Amino acid sequence: EAQVTQNPRYLITVTGKKLTVTCSQNMNHEYMSWYRQDPGLGLRQIYYSMNVEVTDKGDVPEGYKVSRKEKRNFPLILESPSPNQTSLYFCASSLGQGATYEQYFGPGTRLTVT
Amino acid sequence: DAKTTQPTSMDCAEGRAANLPCNHSTISGNEYVYWYRQIHSQGPQYIIHGLKNNETNEMASLIITEDRKSSTLILPHATLRDTAVYYCIVRLLGQNFVFGPGTRLSVLP
Repeated sequence: EAQVTQNPRYLITVTGKKLTVTCSQNMNHEYMSWYRQDPGLGLRQIYYSMNVEVTDKGDVPEGYKVSRKEKRNFPLILESPSPNQTSLYFCASSLGQGATYEQYFGPGTRLTVT
Repeated sequence: DAKTTQPTSMDCAEGRAANLPCNHSTISGNEYVYWYRQIHSQGPQYIIHGLKNNETNEMASLIITEDRKSSTLILPHATLRDTAVYYCIVRLLGQNFVFGPGTRLSVLP
C-alpha cells in the first residue's frame, strides 16, 4: 500500500532534549516536505527536499533541521526543542513539484514540549 | 496576501450535494487550483485539481469559472464522513503548497 509513515505518532518531551521525528514513503517520490499545524495558523511549511541531498527552508524553519540521505526517508530533527514547538507535524511527499503532482500526507505526529 | 478566499464554515444535509466555493480573483494563467481536505487532525487528503476545464473524479467535481477567478468543489452526495476542513489552493508549477484556513464543512444527519 502506498503510504507516508511517521514515527512517533505522539511524543511528550522536555525543553532542550534533542529529538527526531522520522518520515518514510514507499512511493519512490522525489519531493518530501514537513509542515506544522497550529490552531488558527493553518499548515505552515518547515522544510522541503527536492531530492536526495537537496533540502531547502520553508516558511518556518527556525529551530528545525532535516536531512535527506535516502530517497525514502526525510527525518525532522529538533536539536533543542522549546515549548513553542509544541504542535502537530505532518510529513508529505509527491513525485515532484510539478503542478499536476498531488502531495500525500502522513498521519501526523503530535509533539508536546514542556 | 492570501491567494484564495473561502467561507469559514458551511453546513450540508446528508445525501445532498455540498458546494464549496473558492474565490481566487488574482489567479494567473499558469496557476492550478487544488482542493484538499483534512478530517479531524488527520493528514490532509488530496481531492482534485484543475487548470481551466472542469474536472471530475470518484470523489468530487471541480467547476472553474470561465474567467478562472473562482471555483466550486462539489461533493455530489455528502455523507457524514465528508465532515472535514476543505482547503482551496492556487499553485504555480514548482511552487510549494500554501494552505489557508479552509472551509469547515459539517454534514448533518
